[in-house]
Amino acid sequence: GAVVSQHPSRVICKSGTSVKIECRSLDFQATTMFWYRQFPKQSLMLMATSNEGSKATYEQGVEKDKFLINHASLTLSTLTVTSAHPEDSSFYICSARDRAWISYEQYFGPGTRLTVT
Amino acid sequence: AQKVTQAQTEISVVEKEDVTLDCVYETRDTTYYLFWYKQPPSGELVFLIRRNSFDEQNEISGRYSWNFQKSTSSFNFTITASQVVDSAVYFCALSEAKRSNYQLIWGAGTKLIIKP
Repeated sequence: GAVVSQHPSRVICKSGTSVKIECRSLDFQATTMFWYRQFPKQSLMLMATSNEGSKATYEQGVEKDKFLINHASLTLSTLTVTSAHPEDSSFYICSARDRAWISYEQYFGPGTRLTVT
Repeated sequence: AQKVTQAQTEISVVEKEDVTLDCVYETRDTTYYLFWYKQPPSGELVFLIRRNSFDEQNEISGRYSWNFQKSTSSFNFTITASQVVDSAVYFCALSEAKRSNYQLIWGAGTKLIIKP
C-alpha cells in the first residue's frame, strides 16, 4: 500500500515551453502533497505544500507564477513549470500524506527528471 | 532552529566492511520523528526507518542498525558487512509535531560508495 506515482519519469522540453508533472496517490487519499526539487549532489529542497482544494503554500524564494501547483482532488496534484528555462532542469519529487493514517508519514513518488534545452 | 547535520559528505569503504553514517539533529520540540532514506542512482527515495522521540530503543533490521541517542541528539545508521548494492546517497530527516504539515527537514546527505 501507500504508493505514489509520478508522470512523466523523464521529460525533455525546449526553453520557453511549459511542462506539467503529475503526482498521484494510487491507493490512498492524500490531504497534503509536497513538491521537492533536487539539484545534482544536493539534498531535497521543499518547494511547496498543497492541500486538497486550497492554494498551495510556497517556500520562500520559490516563484509562484513559475511553478504552478494544483491539488484538485485527494489523489492528484500537478506541478506545472511555466516558460521553462535551462536553470529549471532538475529532479522533481512529490510526496503525499495519507488522510486516514499516521499524519507524519510521507510517501514519495519516484521523481521526474526535467531537462530544459 | 531546526536542523539536521550529516557531516560526512562521502564515505568509501571496501565491501564487507562495517560503516556508520552520522546524523545530528536540532529541535526544540519534545515530539518529533527521525527518518532515514536511501536514494540509489535511480533517484527514487527508499524509506528505511522512522523513530519517534519517545522511543530510544535501538533497532536492527538485517544488516542495518540504528542508534538513537537523545542525550547527544544523534540518530546514527550502521551497515554491517556492507555490500556493493548499499552504494547510494543516504538522507537523515526530522519532522516536528508542531511544524505545519509535519514538513521534513533534510540533512545534506551522505554518499556511500562500497567498493568490490
